[in-house]
Amino acid sequence: GAVVSQHPSRVICKSGTSVKIECRSLDFQATTMFWYRQFPKQSLMLMATSNEGSKATYEQGVEKDKFLINHASLTLSTLTVTSAHPEDSSFYICSAPTASDYEQYFGPGTRLTVT
Amino acid sequence: GESVGLHLPTLSVQEGDNSIINCAYSNSASDYFIWYKQESGKGPQFIIDIRSNMDKRQGQRVTVLLNKTVKHLSLQIAATQPGDSAVYFCAEIPGTYKYIFGTGTRLKVLA
Repeated sequence: GAVVSQHPSRVICKSGTSVKIECRSLDFQATTMFWYRQFPKQSLMLMATSNEGSKATYEQGVEKDKFLINHASLTLSTLTVTSAHPEDSSFYICSAPTASDYEQYFGPGTRLTVT
Repeated sequence: GESVGLHLPTLSVQEGDNSIINCAYSNSASDYFIWYKQESGKGPQFIIDIRSNMDKRQGQRVTVLLNKTVKHLSLQIAATQPGDSAVYFCAEIPGTYKYIFGTGTRLKVLA
């Protein structure tokens, strides 16, 4: 079946630095991808919709200048956490829709720790 | 038994027993629902789905029940195994692709 990968799987960075997380669809094209954030023991919260060739759509309360999204190709979306702070530490998960109307494939997630 | 922790309720079940995980959804316009399993440090894994024109769907060892009257979804796992231990999320889809995840339930299988 279709696979979505994320890189890196884990990253530790210092406060004030920026971190880039990649999301790739490995054997299918995705004009749309989604970025979620998950705090420990909590559910997935949609952050933004990444659109190939156009601007991302952010959910209410998500700072677009803080979480930069670039969907430069049909198989790659990147999320950059700028000027990271400890409160940005979280599990970030991306997903991409399948050919069906509703189903998505989820990536394995990226654990970000900001020290 | 079932307990509510700080954020994630936990359901503890003896190995071999059946598990029932419940979910309340919010949007009566949602026409597609999915149950996901998430193991620690991993992304969600698809288990089973159901459309709003159905009230029951069965898979291998799993059954999803949908009650649209009370906006309730349940996942039944038969003969629960240690490998079933994980966090389970329901997701409702009110529009194309946009998922709304439930709060999740941690399933602990006791040997």
